[in-house]
Amino acid sequence: IVMTQSPDSLAVSLGERATINCKSSQSVLYNSNNKNYLAWYQQKPGQPPRLLIYWASIRESGVPDRFSGSGTGTDFTLTISSLQAEDVAVYYCQQYSNPPPTFGQGTKVEIK
Amino acid sequence: QVQLVQSGAEVKKPGSSVKVSCKASGGTFNSLSISWMRQAPGRGLEWLGGIIPIITTPNYAQMFQGRVTITADKSTSTVYMELSSLTSEDTAFYYCAKTFPSSLGPTTYFDSWGQGTLVTVSS
Repeated sequence: IVMTQSPDSLAVSLGERATINCKSSQSVLYNSNNKNYLAWYQQKPGQPPRLLIYWASIRESGVPDRFSGSGTGTDFTLTISSLQAEDVAVYYCQQYSNPPPTFGQGTKVEIK
Repeated sequence: QVQLVQSGAEVKKPGSSVKVSCKASGGTFNSLSISWMRQAPGRGLEWLGGIIPIITTPNYAQMFQGRVTITADKSTSTVYMELSSLTSEDTAFYYCAKTFPSSLGPTTYFDSWGQGTLVTVSS
């Protein structure tokens, strides 16, 4: 499954909303349990990725509530409701419905 | 909380092999599912393969089949990834990460990552 993110980069003012889109080439919704097999990660320079969201909308423990995930089927969104300086990073989506797991190309978020 | 600690940076010649280790602590090793990913400089993430130590049989991405070998040593709670026939295209950070199997496959999301190991392939 090919994961395509948009935009490749975006610059947002501090306190403003940032929205990242992720589209899968096939649905990642598993009808038998109604779960979307999609995760979001944040990666800062020199660090490994950090899990933010799984099952498309469940926030990982310790992740600030300004991060939220939504969408179903093939179209998903990661929203940062009020951008903070520490949110500058590259964000990746990942599908795990159909092996092998695959990642989007990443979206770089910067401060305007 | 499972912690994963990887071995240090490596510099290798083209055509050689590299073996990277990932030691797990803070969890029940045999029940873990550990995968390996890589990230070339300025590039995205690729999954190479994974293993569940209690099952032993690893699974590999098709593009790395025949070139990657993943093994687990239960006595030391360590997972290894060996990549052979190295070229400059294999220069990347290599990460191990913990995941969970699901009814659809051996991996889901990755909730704990090693710090990364830089493998540089250069003549």
